[in-house]
Amino acid sequence: DAKTTQPPSMDCAEGRAANLPCNHSTISGNEYVYWYRQIHSQGPQYIIHGLKNNETNEMASLIITEDRKSSTLILPHATLRDTAVYYCIVRVVSPANAGKSTFGDGTTLTVKP
Amino acid sequence: DAGVTQSPTHLIKTRGQHVTLRCSPISGHKSVSWYQQVLGQGPQFIFQYYEKEERGRGNFPDRFSARQFPNYSSELNVNALLLGDSALYLCASSWASGGTRPYNEQFFGPGTRLTVL
Repeated sequence: DAKTTQPPSMDCAEGRAANLPCNHSTISGNEYVYWYRQIHSQGPQYIIHGLKNNETNEMASLIITEDRKSSTLILPHATLRDTAVYYCIVRVVSPANAGKSTFGDGTTLTVKP
Repeated sequence: DAGVTQSPTHLIKTRGQHVTLRCSPISGHKSVSWYQQVLGQGPQFIFQYYEKEERGRGNFPDRFSARQFPNYSSELNVNALLLGDSALYLCASSWASGGTRPYNEQFFGPGTRLTVL
């Protein structure tokens, strides 16, 4: 699985958009980009994933660059409850590794009033 | 629908003891994975089981073992506990990938907090 690089911490004002970057320059063509977040030592929570197109769901948007070497998770209107550690993961998905994710140290997002 | 459940929630052991942690996946999920998360770090992959077979193992010593049962629940066993085994142990379940769904997301349980004294 490709390695990812994320800034260790970021701040965001409540109500503003939070843009969390992730570099995955060694990503291969069949690897998906996944984002998870972890709130205060709870289990990580799935947010969104994508292959090469931009994706949006009720929680966030995922923007993947055309060369797929980086991506940005966007929380459109951050709230205090979005304060968490955000993990960007890239991996090939197959029955052989359906359950293996390689986590880095993530980005600690602090949403401030 | 119930999410991934883990038991116990917290556990305190002493060095040299062994421990068994349990996980029940989301109904219909056949893949269960175990992760260790030391304070301040991201989760580290320990094992993956799919259809009751080990499909992957992380860089952990043989003191760590696991198994998956016919109902797809799973146990993680750790023998000869060390102080460094103190961590949050996370279980995640997912369905098999392939076919019209080449991707799959993992759903994590709340974890078991193990403290080794």
